[in-house]
Amino acid sequence: GNSVTQMEGPVTLSEEAFLTINCTYTATGYPSLFWYVQYPGEGLQLLLKATKADDKGSNKGFEATYRKETTSFHLEKGSVQVSDSAVYFCALSDMFSGGYNKLIFGAGTRLAVHP
Amino acid sequence: SQTIHQWPATLVQPVGSPLSLECTVEGTSNPNLYWYRQAAGRGLQLLFYSVGIGQISSEVPQNLSASRPQDRQFILSSKKLLLSDSGFYLCAWIRQRPYEQYFGPGTRLTVT
Repeated sequence: GNSVTQMEGPVTLSEEAFLTINCTYTATGYPSLFWYVQYPGEGLQLLLKATKADDKGSNKGFEATYRKETTSFHLEKGSVQVSDSAVYFCALSDMFSGGYNKLIFGAGTRLAVHP
Repeated sequence: SQTIHQWPATLVQPVGSPLSLECTVEGTSNPNLYWYRQAAGRGLQLLFYSVGIGQISSEVPQNLSASRPQDRQFILSSKKLLLSDSGFYLCAWIRQRPYEQYFGPGTRLTVT
């Protein structure tokens, strides 16, 4: 079945460092890919998405490119801030057997940014 | 715009007690609704989804049940809580075009 694999955390960085969180997927067909962010004690928020190969999703300085050849959707940011500390989830769109949509999530990667 | 509400925000319940968590969505009609559980430090586990009133599908067998009495209301229940039911419960809905999933603020449940 379809699945998502994320790099294990926690990822600990100093402020203004470069961030990469790796995400690879296994899927049949051409799913949409997503990154969600969860701040402490809150629900998940959609950070960015890409719907087809070579699309680049971007938001709040974060970027991820849909790479079909490497089945990857790595999250990057050029200069992280303390406020970026959160858990980041990679996800792909999938279908239930009844034809309805669902998302498959990775295990999440915790990012801690220190001043 | 669409918003999704969950209550209560936090809950502490003894083992063996009943549970009822509520989720409501505003600003859309006939949404596909989902319940997820997130155990401490873990990823998301899909528990139930619903495509309409009275239509519930379960992804994993467990001690919980779900109901959808109204179009924009989704309820998660249990008759007798277990310690293993502790976690952060998230409700979500999916917008079809563009395809995106939106989450509520969550309910943190601690079973003691």
